[in-house]
Amino acid sequence: SQQGEEDPQALSIQEGENATMNCSYKTSINNLQWYRQNSGRGLVHLILIRSNEREKHSGRLRVTLDTSKKSSSLLITASRAADTASYFCATDTVMEYGNKLVFGAGTILRVKS
Amino acid sequence: NAGVTQTPKFRVLKTGQSMTLLCAQDMNHEYMYWYRQDPGMGLRLIHYSVGEGTTAKGEVPDGYNVSRLKKQNFLLGLESAAPSQTSVYFCASRSLRVLNTEAFFGQGTRLTVV
Repeated sequence: SQQGEEDPQALSIQEGENATMNCSYKTSINNLQWYRQNSGRGLVHLILIRSNEREKHSGRLRVTLDTSKKSSSLLITASRAADTASYFCATDTVMEYGNKLVFGAGTILRVKS
Repeated sequence: NAGVTQTPKFRVLKTGQSMTLLCAQDMNHEYMYWYRQDPGMGLRLIHYSVGEGTTAKGEVPDGYNVSRLKKQNFLLGLESAAPSQTSVYFCASRSLRVLNTEAFFGQGTRLTVV
């Protein structure tokens, strides 16, 4: 089964509103990353938060990490129509053989103008 | 720099046929990954590699083989394609030398098995 589980599966908001997506995972992690995917395209990295960090900001993005609850959230403030995309969390887990990067099922965000 | 390049971008196979997907990266990254993406399933890890000549299984390795003969290339093979392997395949790479790094993705290969 997949490591990360995003919630909600889909989110529809008006331009200017904030969008919050959540991610839960199952095992210990090295870091947690968020990616964005526009329809039919490859994934683009947004932000990375290390296991010893609790919050991180990048422009309109804010990520939190709670390792005790094995959960993370991504907040996009003042959303724009161009933010419409799928968003995925990915957990970086140290294995016996290298690091695995395992993705969740994603949240589909639609921002209406 | 091209980043991560996948070849081909589209392919239609008949059941039982074989094919190889090529992933090439020009960033001198040690890690390379192959994923498949199906509707509602997100990305699932097929195989990955931490360096030339080494590979490991991911979550869904059955029906696929991989090879990493050169550091810059990671090949994904389907020996006998099945309709269940219809999917979009993504390759990614990232550095081993720098801790806590992001992955860089190719644009995907859309494979249909009929």
